[in-house]
Amino acid sequence: AQSVTQPDIHITVSEGASLELRCNYSYGATPYLFWYVQSPGQGLQLLLKYFSGDTLVQGIKGFEAEFKRSQSSFNLRKPSVHWSDAAEYFCAVGDDFGNEKLTFGTGTRLTIIP
Amino acid sequence: GAGVSQSPSNKVTEKGKDVELRCDPISGHTALYWYRQRLGQGLEFLIYFQGNSAPDKSGLPSDRFSAERTGESVSTLTIQRTQQEDSAVYLCASSPGNIGGETQYFGPGTRLLVL
Repeated sequence: AQSVTQPDIHITVSEGASLELRCNYSYGATPYLFWYVQSPGQGLQLLLKYFSGDTLVQGIKGFEAEFKRSQSSFNLRKPSVHWSDAAEYFCAVGDDFGNEKLTFGTGTRLTIIP
Repeated sequence: GAGVSQSPSNKVTEKGKDVELRCDPISGHTALYWYRQRLGQGLEFLIYFQGNSAPDKSGLPSDRFSAERTGESVSTLTIQRTQQEDSAVYLCASSPGNIGGETQYFGPGTRLLVL
């Protein structure tokens, strides 16, 4: 069975600083990988996804993620964070057929300080 | 267009009571999912509906949990004889369901508190 690890429970960065959120997965085949963001009082919104092709994926709100098969990682990055990026971020992996039963990590809570 | 909607947004119930949670998927989406999010944790898959196929119930934690879906429309998640450990946010998602790797669109969730 697949699994996802987000080793950082909480990260604090200054506004304007760069950001990297870590995600490691365990899966036998080529995974389908997703990053979702959950803002307070709002539902989950997809930031980006990877399932084939270019290993560097661009998403919404200036986010990008890089799939590294050798490291079983799919880290999320942003060159300069904004106060509005404060939220909970979840990495997820899809199963064999690519869509059903997303397995989520436990999330990383991002705090932005002025 | 309208997104995924869920009702109620909040539900407080007493231990032992039954509860029903409702999900209205995006129109035309054939795939529908239920997840549970306990406080401070990630989402746990509960059940998946795809068109008229038999649902994948592999994530349901006990036989107190059940879900139904009428065609490709509304779904209800029922929890019988609720327990305090059932307290969580229950999230519904839908997707077009045609190919792999599709985006799942999530509703705002129902926050369930069992006293």
